[in-house]
Amino acid sequence: SQELEQSPQSLIVQEGKNLTINCTSSKTLYGLYWYKQKYGEGLIFLMMLQKGGEEKSHEKITAKLDEKKQQSSLHITASQPSHAGIYLCGADLGSARQLTFGSGTQLTVLP
Amino acid sequence: EAGVAQSPRYKIIEKRQSVAFWCNPISGHATLYWYQQILGQGPKLLIQFQNNGVVDDSQLPKDRFSAERLKGVDSTLKIQPAKLEDSAVYLCASSLDQVVRFFGPGTRLTVL
Repeated sequence: SQELEQSPQSLIVQEGKNLTINCTSSKTLYGLYWYKQKYGEGLIFLMMLQKGGEEKSHEKITAKLDEKKQQSSLHITASQPSHAGIYLCGADLGSARQLTFGSGTQLTVLP
Repeated sequence: EAGVAQSPRYKIIEKRQSVAFWCNPISGHATLYWYQQILGQGPKLLIQFQNNGVVDDSQLPKDRFSAERLKGVDSTLKIQPAKLEDSAVYLCASSLDQVVRFFGPGTRLTVL
């Protein structure tokens, strides 16, 4: 089984709707990173969370790390077609600060 | 600020052939990473360099993959001989502060 589980695997929403993507670990998250990837391109760093209960926002995207530091959620408010892409969480699970990635959530926003 | 550069962007080879990828990190970034991303999966770290020294290559299949970082700047990743399961996107990333913020566009390798 994967160390880092993302859900859902894919998501199709109508423009203007809110949505949430989850990232769950069986181990303590020493650092949690959210990235966005468009097909055929590299990853774009969105934000980093390190403290339990921490919440960060960038434009209409908000990410939280739960108090137990084993789950993070990424929430998009009033989605737009520009939000479409693959959202990946990456985590420092304590092993030599190497990042472990989830398998991604494919987001489609219908105009 | 220029981003992480990678070339080629696409490569198609037959199995058992060799291939090399090149990465030029952001100027001044001491840490350089090579990741392998198979379709439908998240990236997997192959090797991490700090300047021109290897920090972590535990997941690099050393019987066929090799990597070097010349003078602590550019890096090349080589596969010899390639197998069908090496078909993937190879991503290079660089960082200044151990947070992996900057990725290159990747090289998409298809092994036939």
